[in-house]
Amino acid sequence: GDSVTQMEGPVTLSEEAFLTINCTYTATGYPSLFWYVQYPGEGLQLLLKATKADDKGSNKGFEATYRKETTSFHLEKGSVQVSDSAVYFCALRVGSARQLTFGSGTQLTVLP
Amino acid sequence: EADIYQTPRYLVIGTGKKITLECSQTMGHDKMYWYQQDPGMELHLIHYSYGVNSTEKGDLSSESTVSRIRTEHFPLTLESARPSHTSQYLCASSERTGRFTEAFFGQGTRLTVV
Repeated sequence: GDSVTQMEGPVTLSEEAFLTINCTYTATGYPSLFWYVQYPGEGLQLLLKATKADDKGSNKGFEATYRKETTSFHLEKGSVQVSDSAVYFCALRVGSARQLTFGSGTQLTVLP
Repeated sequence: EADIYQTPRYLVIGTGKKITLECSQTMGHDKMYWYQQDPGMELHLIHYSYGVNSTEKGDLSSESTVSRIRTEHFPLTLESARPSHTSQYLCASSERTGRFTEAFFGQGTRLTVV
């Protein structure tokens, strides 16, 4: 079946540090890949997505590149802010699936 | 910005009470979902709807039930709440199935059964 493996948290960084959250996947078909963010007490919001190999999704300074050869979609940001503190979910969807398949989430805390 | 709303945001209720969690979307999406989010943050699909009068169970067994009488409305009901039902419940919708399709989420309902 389809699955997503995310880097375990929690991750704690100082403000302006570089962020990487690893995400790898297995899929029964050709997936689209997504990163969602969940701020404290809120639902999930789409952060970025990529629909084919070598595509780069980007938003709010975050980036992730769809790497088919390594089945990865790592999330990066060059300089994190306190306001980036949240839980980040990697997800995929193949054409036949009724729902997104989510990773287990990575808690990020950014300290001032 | 997503137009999907959940009420209440927070609910504390006694054991044995009947509760209904409301979810409404104004995007005209056919597909709607209920997820349960455990304290470890993992998301588990508990109910899915393809459209009006079409619902099915998700991957995680749940004692809750759902209905879909109108496209925009997808309420979740617990007939008799128990402490084991304490959790965060997230409602979502999407325009269609297919690998390009993202899901839009409501803000969630945090349920505590005492």
